[in-house]
Amino acid sequence: DGGITQSPKYLFRKEGQNVTLSCEQNLNHDAMYWYRQDPGQGLRLIYYSQIVNDFQKGDIAEGYSVSREKKESFPLTVTSAQKNPTAFYLCASSTTRLGTAEAFFGQGTRLTVV
Amino acid sequence: AQTVTQSQPEMSVQEAETVTLSCTYDTSESDYYLFWYKQPPSRQMILVIRQEAYKQQNATENRFSVNFQKAAKSFSLKISDSQLGDAAMYFCAYTDSGTYKYIFGTGTRLKVLA
Repeated sequence: DGGITQSPKYLFRKEGQNVTLSCEQNLNHDAMYWYRQDPGQGLRLIYYSQIVNDFQKGDIAEGYSVSREKKESFPLTVTSAQKNPTAFYLCASSTTRLGTAEAFFGQGTRLTVV
Repeated sequence: AQTVTQSQPEMSVQEAETVTLSCTYDTSESDYYLFWYKQPPSRQMILVIRQEAYKQQNATENRFSVNFQKAAKSFSLKISDSQLGDAAMYFCAYTDSGTYKYIFGTGTRLKVLA
């Protein structure tokens, strides 16, 4: 089945540690996205990538980093510089072909800093 | 910059009744797409309905329909014959063919009363 896989579903991190969230898609989509979801704030864009080896900062990129070495993969690293990392993280992908514009989402990763 | 606003944090509807969720947006682009996504307690984002800006006809998907008012930049979702399974967070979203970034509103929590 085609889709987006995020892992792990739950992640615990000690303060001061970096952690990497995985996102893999087999939909052959060019574009991939990372969103952060907090109560009452909707989905806020962290980083996005429209093509391999290229990515752009979203609205809340500080304290995060990404890479896009393969079309299928777009891992997100939450660094120790992120002051409030506890949140629900959603990865998404979409095609950049005109007329087919909806984003498809993974099941999310709940990150808790302990 | 493009923005999406959902002014109703929470709505309630009686089972089998009709409810309308509001969404307004702002953009200077002429070619864009609008979406409604549903997020049930599982937190999986599910596409409910999409609307292309160039189409004057309002989109419909079974019990779900939109009222797209392009001049007013309004995009409301109507749910007819509400069911208990419709209870969820609903997000309005926007993208355009220039950036393919997805911008989300803050969401409306829909409660369905038996």
